[in-house]
Amino acid sequence: DAGVTQSPTHLIKTRGQQVTLRCSPKSGHDTVSWYQQALGQGPQFIFQYYEEEERQRGNFPDRFSGHQFPNYSSELNVNALLLGDSALYLCASSLVLAGGGNEQFFGPGTRLTVL
Amino acid sequence: QKEVEQNSGPLSVPEGAIASLNCTYSDRGSQSFFWYRQYSGKSPELIMSIYSNGDKEDGRFTAQLNKASQYVSLLIRDSQPSDSATYLCAVNMMAGGGFKTIFGAGTRLFVKA
Repeated sequence: DAGVTQSPTHLIKTRGQQVTLRCSPKSGHDTVSWYQQALGQGPQFIFQYYEEEERQRGNFPDRFSGHQFPNYSSELNVNALLLGDSALYLCASSLVLAGGGNEQFFGPGTRLTVL
Repeated sequence: QKEVEQNSGPLSVPEGAIASLNCTYSDRGSQSFFWYRQYSGKSPELIMSIYSNGDKEDGRFTAQLNKASQYVSLLIRDSQPSDSATYLCAVNMMAGGGFKTIFGAGTRLFVKA
């Protein structure tokens, strides 16, 4: 049973560029959430996708956008990169449950460095 | 006030001791609570989930939830050096048909051999 996968593993960009990160959820999961984790901090919620729509969004600017495909995989796009966007980007997948448990499982992450 | 608060540590315990990790949260409507373990350079790994008041045990781990006090804790019995990691408390906040998960900053645990 494949877990959550993310690509690429590492990425180096320069200020002002655009980046796309990819995520495939765990088999059977239908919800994908994206997080940004700066060094020494907990993951910060960016947004969540379910049924190909953004359902929830954290306090991130519009430079951060995403997409979910019919096979439940997802992309995170960041435009006009800033030095402060350097972080570990985590994708987590879950299955919507009527009781709202929603255990999330994380992928290995993409380490983004903006120079 | 932060939505989810944890002591940053580091918490240092000797091998074989009980490690106690604590977390408080601000949203009284929260229903789902999680503990993740994160080794340096790795992604978070789910170790416990708890939804009802009281204790939930899984092997050496026990999660405790007190919704009235808005408090969640994790006990690790017979601590091992391999338990040395950052422990993240996470709370699901339901809204608009979906949920968002708020993480604490994490508590670093060191288990001394």
